[in-house]
Amino acid sequence: DAKTTQPPSMDCAEGRAANLPCNHSTISGNEYVYWYRQIHSQGPQYIIHGLKNNETNEMASLIITEDRKSSTLILPHATLRDTAVYYCIVRVAGNAGNNRKLIWGLGTSLAVNP
Amino acid sequence: ETGVTQSPTHLIKTRGQQVTLRCSSQSGHNTVSWYQQALGQGPQFIFQYYREEENGRGNFPPRFSGLQFPNYSSELNVNALELDDSALYLCASSLGGLLNTEAFFGQGTRLTVV
Repeated sequence: DAKTTQPPSMDCAEGRAANLPCNHSTISGNEYVYWYRQIHSQGPQYIIHGLKNNETNEMASLIITEDRKSSTLILPHATLRDTAVYYCIVRVAGNAGNNRKLIWGLGTSLAVNP
Repeated sequence: ETGVTQSPTHLIKTRGQQVTLRCSSQSGHNTVSWYQQALGQGPQFIFQYYREEENGRGNFPPRFSGLQFPNYSSELNVNALELDDSALYLCASSLGGLLNTEAFFGQGTRLTVV
């Protein structure tokens, strides 16, 4: 079973920030939070990941609460091309050869509207 | 572009047949994972190969098998196809041995079993 909970759907106006929440209340100390997105019928695309500090890259920002039980993915200026299903996943960091599988939930379907 | 390529992109098979799907991993990546994604669901982990050996498996029957080659490309084989095997099959490559490397996905193979 997925270890994260996300709202099934969200709407956002084009040009505004999209804030996608994720609950991972049972996260372990050695588990990272990963975000992927999947545009219709394509392969998932990596967005960002973090352990406990906030992270930012060219695509998004990841805000992780101090207790690490929840996080928020922020798309600062959403465009129509950001319409996709966004998945929040927690995954243990592993040494060489460890099982590195990703356990996916149903994600959040984000609709960016003009 | 992730550098992960899958072939074929689409495939139609008859129930009871066998199918082989192929994946070329991103250059330098030694770990390949396979996922099955039914319509409207998140991807489900099938198995993972690290340096040519299976080192993790999800809840899939033995008729789902795989290989990883010395160049780290991989195959997924499914025998005795069933109608429920119709799905998008995704391959992801990553670099094992590091703590928090992300996985990069191919565009998937859409398999339809009739």
